[in-house]
Amino acid sequence: GAVVSQHPSRVICKSGTSVKIECRSLDFQATTMFWYRQFPKQSLMLMATSNEGSKATYEQGVEKDKFLINHASLTLSTLTVTSAHPEDSSFYICSARAQVEAFFGQGTRLTVV
Amino acid sequence: GEDVEQSLFLSVREGDSSVINCTYTDSSSTYLYWYKQEPGAGLQLLTYIFSNMDMKQDQRLTVLLNKKDKHLSLRIADTQTGDSAIYFCAEPLRGYNKLIFGAGTRLAVHP
Repeated sequence: GAVVSQHPSRVICKSGTSVKIECRSLDFQATTMFWYRQFPKQSLMLMATSNEGSKATYEQGVEKDKFLINHASLTLSTLTVTSAHPEDSSFYICSARAQVEAFFGQGTRLTVV
Repeated sequence: GEDVEQSLFLSVREGDSSVINCTYTDSSSTYLYWYKQEPGAGLQLLTYIFSNMDMKQDQRLTVLLNKKDKHLSLRIADTQTGDSAIYFCAEPLRGYNKLIFGAGTRLAVHP
């Protein structure tokens, strides 16, 4: 099946710094990708919809200046957590749809210290 | 509003069948999904079913869909320890490509 690759799988950063997470569709083109956040033992919370060549659409309550999304090509979307704080520590997962099937990346465990 | 509900925990003995249940709200959903998540990993698409189907079988997995009751189930035959994980059902948000997930059912398989 189609593969979505997410990088890095783990990152530890200092408070106040920014972290970039990449999401790539490896064998298909994705005009739309999705970014989710998952807290421990909880379900996935959709943060935003990343649209190739245009601005991302953010869910209610998600700060767009905090979580910058860029979808510069049909195979790559990036999520940048700016000025990270400990409360941003979480598991971030991207997703891309290939027709009916929606595939997910491996996730990125972000720890802000 | 849109809401997908699942029971949170299921414990089964190795070799038995597991049945994970889900209820959804959007009767216009064209397809519904089941995902598996192992600790520290992303989501693995297990299977999906079109809304015009009542059942779909794929090896040890059987999906049953009751549109009238908006009820979806995933049956895993001959459950193995490697099946221990969290299972999420998901439906597309009405009119959008994005998925709405249930809380996830944690499946524990014991000897």
